[in-house]
Amino acid sequence: QLQLQESGSGLVKPSQTLSLTCAVSGGSISSGGYSWSWIRQPPGKGLEWIGYIYRSGSTNYNPSLKSRVTLSVDRSKNQFSLRLTSVTAADTAVYYCARAGDYGDYTVDYWGQGTLVTVSS
Amino acid sequence: QSALTQPASVSGSPGQSITISCTGTSSDVGGYNYVSWYQQHPGKAPKLMIYDVSNRPSGVSNRFSGSKSGNTASLTISGLQAEDEADYYCSSYTSSSTLVVFGGGTKVTVL
Repeated sequence: QLQLQESGSGLVKPSQTLSLTCAVSGGSISSGGYSWSWIRQPPGKGLEWIGYIYRSGSTNYNPSLKSRVTLSVDRSKNQFSLRLTSVTAADTAVYYCARAGDYGDYTVDYWGQGTLVTVSS
Repeated sequence: QSALTQPASVSGSPGQSITISCTGTSSDVGGYNYVSWYQQHPGKAPKLMIYDVSNRPSGVSNRFSGSKSGNTASLTISGLQAEDEADYYCSSYTSSSTLVVFGGGTKVTVL
């Protein structure tokens, strides 16, 4: 059974960089046909797709965040990561890592449990 | 404001059927059969309930069904049960550079 686990700083100061890592277990991030995504959910609000990355390293980002987001994959550690620069209070959210592929390129079938990141001084 | 429009809340009594709508445009819901539905209980990660408009992943109850007409997709829950009380989100592929858009979510209450 595939499992995804987010880790990283839960508190980030405004203007600094948010960094999160998603450890993948029960499967290989190098397996073909899957994309690895980050999705966030501000408290009490809906879901927002941040971007996804393939095992090859090719990426696609939400245009509204593109200038501040970088996704990367570390196949040796079986994990992928998110960096979001110049954060503001609007970036406060639960951040989920996720996988798509078994049910289509744009359908998430596995989610991490989510990690709350608060942007505050 | 979310790209896809969902009602904020829908309620029903146990055993009844309810339907949640998800309205988009011809660039997303209406143009492609890539609509998914997710169920989210408080404090939990979303769970895939429907993909490609009307398909159920293995393990999802057949009380959940999906459909689409024009630019509006729908999720129907039949035989409503207490455990169905949750937030439900639709998502769709979009031809815009965003690629994936979500609805704002619908809170389902079992009376």
